[in-house]
Amino acid sequence: DVKVTQSSRYLVKRTGEKVFLECVQDMDHENMFWYRQDPGLGLRLIYFSYDVKMKEKGDIPEGYSVSREKKERFSLILESASTNQTSMYLCASTGLALSYEQYFGPGTRLTVT
Amino acid sequence: DQQVKQNSPSLSVQEGRISILNCDYTNSMFDYFLWYKKYPAEGPTFLISISSIKDKNEDGRFTVFLNKSAKHLSLHIVPSQPGDSAVYFCAALKAAGNKLTFGGGTRVLVKP
Repeated sequence: DVKVTQSSRYLVKRTGEKVFLECVQDMDHENMFWYRQDPGLGLRLIYFSYDVKMKEKGDIPEGYSVSREKKERFSLILESASTNQTSMYLCASTGLALSYEQYFGPGTRLTVT
Repeated sequence: DQQVKQNSPSLSVQEGRISILNCDYTNSMFDYFLWYKKYPAEGPTFLISISSIKDKNEDGRFTVFLNKSAKHLSLHIVPSQPGDSAVYFCAALKAAGNKLTFGGGTRVLVKP
């Protein structure tokens, strides 16, 4: 079974703090994704990566950056957290050339106060 | 501007009856359409997909219908079971961009 793990289930940070969200997958997948989920808006793509050290912007990259130093690990960084970044963050991966069947982690509920 | 929309935020259905979830899209360039299911405190899981060149795909109790002229797809669950209670997300994929665009989700409650 594919396993995607996220470093924290719940996180509370203060405005202006630098926040790291970590994601690890154990199936040697090339493709990894970061989404945020907000009520009524569904999942929105922040960044994705097709290979180590490679990254591409998704639909809402502002205020975020990412790092992929190893194939199994994809990190999301909030350089200076703001209250409008309070959300559920979901990481996903897939080994398929077409990324429609993605495997998701359980999510990190981030609250910025 | 949401390219994929689920206009019903919630749906309640009796166990054994049919659940019908609807999804509309605006971009005719999508190549695949998908449904994901999400339980609380878990990540979404892939449920079923359909290629844009087909109009129906069936997998057990789940059937997805695609009406390209109306830019509309639906998911039918027959018969509905209490374990189907979850949030369902419609999603679409353009092969060229290779990224998913999700709808806002529909929360389904199946009553015993």
